[in-house]
Amino acid sequence: AQSVTQLDSQVPVFEEAPVELRCNYSSSVSVYLFWYVQYPNQGLQLLLKYLSGSTLVKGINGFEAEFNKSQTSFHLRKPSVHISDTAEYFCAVSVRGQGAQKLVFGQGTRLTINP
Amino acid sequence: DTGVSQNPRHKITKRGQNVTFRCDPISEHNRLYWYRQTLGQGPEFLTYFQNEAQLEKSRLLSDRFSAERPKGSFSTLEIQRTEQGDSAMYLCASSLGLTNTGELFFGEGSRLTVL
Repeated sequence: AQSVTQLDSQVPVFEEAPVELRCNYSSSVSVYLFWYVQYPNQGLQLLLKYLSGSTLVKGINGFEAEFNKSQTSFHLRKPSVHISDTAEYFCAVSVRGQGAQKLVFGQGTRLTINP
Repeated sequence: DTGVSQNPRHKITKRGQNVTFRCDPISEHNRLYWYRQTLGQGPEFLTYFQNEAQLEKSRLLSDRFSAERPKGSFSTLEIQRTEQGDSAMYLCASSLGLTNTGELFFGEGSRLTVL
């Protein structure tokens, strides 16, 4: 079964520092990969997605991620974080369900930005 | 442009009571998903619909849970005889079936607290 592992449950960083949130997936077939962000008491918002093509994917709010097939990774990066980036971040892989694709999520990484 | 709408946003109930949540997807989306998210965890798939047909149900969806999408538009998720373990955020998401990449658009969620 396809799954997602987010290697860090919490990542504290200082404002304006770079950050990397790690994600590894298991899949024996072609994959679609996603990063979502969740602010407190809200639903999930799509940050970026990898469907095909260039392995470097750019998303909203200055985030980017790199798809690495040999390492089965899809790490999320931002060169300089802001206080407003404090949130929970979820990596997800699209898997084939009974008739349609569905998302399988990792356990999440809580990003805390300190001033 | 209206997104996915869920209500109520918060529900507090006593153990043993029944609760119902409603989800209105993005109007042109024919696929609708329900996920459950407990504290500190990623969302877990419960069930999904293509139009009015319920095509897949997770093993997480016990007999006390029932979901419907009678006219292929809004959906309801009912939990009968609630238990404290049902306390969670219930997330609804929708997608346009033509793309079939698994990308989902989420609502704000309905948070259930069972006392």
